Amino acid sequence: AQSVTQPDIHITVSEGASLELRCNYSYGATPYLFWYVQSPGQGLQLLLKYFSGDTLVQGIKGFEAEFKRSQSSFNLRKPSVHWSDAAEYFCAVDHDRGSTLGRLYFGRGTQLTVWP
Amino acid sequence: NAGVTQTPKFQVLKTGQSMTLQCAQDMNHEYMSWYRQDPGMGLRLIHYSVGAGITDQGEVPNGYNVSRSTTEDFPLRLLSAAPSQTSVYFCASSYATSTDTQYFGPGTRLTVL
Repeated sequence: AQSVTQPDIHITVSEGASLELRCNYSYGATPYLFWYVQSPGQGLQLLLKYFSGDTLVQGIKGFEAEFKRSQSSFNLRKPSVHWSDAAEYFCAVDHDRGSTLGRLYFGRGTQLTVWP
Repeated sequence: NAGVTQTPKFQVLKTGQSMTLQCAQDMNHEYMSWYRQDPGMGLRLIHYSVGAGITDQGEVPNGYNVSRSTTEDFPLRLLSAAPSQTSVYFCASSYATSTDTQYFGPGTRLTVL
């Protein structure tokens, strides 16, 4: 069963505006959490990941994400969006927390459009 | 390093035909996996491998076979293609587990008529 939800299929923001992409997971224990980005016609690239510790994690390209246990969320944020950030963003979870036979489960993705 | 390579980039099959999607990596990664990406569905795991000779099923394994005879290669076989297998297929690899950074190939766009 799908255990990670991205409620927003498509988001449009203006260049320079702030961005928040939502991700919720459903499971008993806190999984390992990831955000990946897919540019048009490309494979996916890891932006950041959370295993434990500080709930605010920094990633590449100026992105950050905050883990909130009480809300079972791991939302991705960026203070000022650039046109090159237009892409599809995927949240992913690993409930096996890095075990040898662990698997990644991806959300359905959020397509980000950036207006100039 | 070439990273993760996939061939072919595009393929059109007729229903019932068989084919193999190739995936290779030159990073000496133990963990390799195959995903399919369909509009509105995100990526779904088909099969994965934690090392040569070891494979396991993911979320949507039916209609696909895999083997891992070497660390470098992880081919995906469609035994009898069906229109429902029309999709974009991605191969990925990582150092040892699913939680290590996954490196994705460029994808194979498959159409089954």
